[in-house]
Amino acid sequence: NAGVTQTPKFQVLKTGQSMTLQCAQDMNHEYMSWYRQDPGMGLRLIHYSVGAGITDQGEVPNGYNVSRSTTEDFPLRLLSAAPSQTSVYFCASSFFGQNTGELFFGEGSRLTVL
Amino acid sequence: AQSVAQPEDQVNVAEGNPLTVKCTYSVSGNPYLFWYVQYPNRGLQFLLKYITGDNLVKGSYGFEAEFNKSQTSFHLKKPSALVSDSALYFCAVRGLNDYKLSFGAGTTVTVRA
Repeated sequence: NAGVTQTPKFQVLKTGQSMTLQCAQDMNHEYMSWYRQDPGMGLRLIHYSVGAGITDQGEVPNGYNVSRSTTEDFPLRLLSAAPSQTSVYFCASSFFGQNTGELFFGEGSRLTVL
Repeated sequence: AQSVAQPEDQVNVAEGNPLTVKCTYSVSGNPYLFWYVQYPNRGLQFLLKYITGDNLVKGSYGFEAEFNKSQTSFHLKKPSALVSDSALYFCAVRGLNDYKLSFGAGTTVTVRA
């Protein structure tokens, strides 16, 4: 099983550029989420989805956009990259309901904004 | 708003000694609590969870955690630490009807041989 697959693993952007981080899971999970990890701050939730067509904001949604057109895919879009968005981004998924929170994580995408 | 505190940035123990990683939480209503481990340059891996029932929860790799409602704590424990347990550990919480999972800042565990 592939689990949760994130692409790209590394990306360097210039301020103002846009890009999409891809996330796909093959476990038929209803719940998918995006986190950013910064030193000393743990993981902060950006956006999450409880099923196709349903998305909601997390703690730090500004500057990011998401959509969920299929159960498998949950792309994260950076609309106009800023240096403050330099971080490691993780996609995670789980079954929805009582097991929400028992997350399967991707390997991460390291983004640098110059 | 829900939150998690991990009061120790680092925990250092000798191999074979007990390991404890502390976590306290704040959430409205009954909590769902989780522990995750992150090895260098990897994603997080689920270790264990508390939803309801027995206050002592057993998980992967010999880890266990004790839920204490009165102290709002969920400390991670291992009776005998291994060098391979050296990693970054995260505690997380969500509320019963809330699907946003909040993580602590993490505790780096170093087990010396």
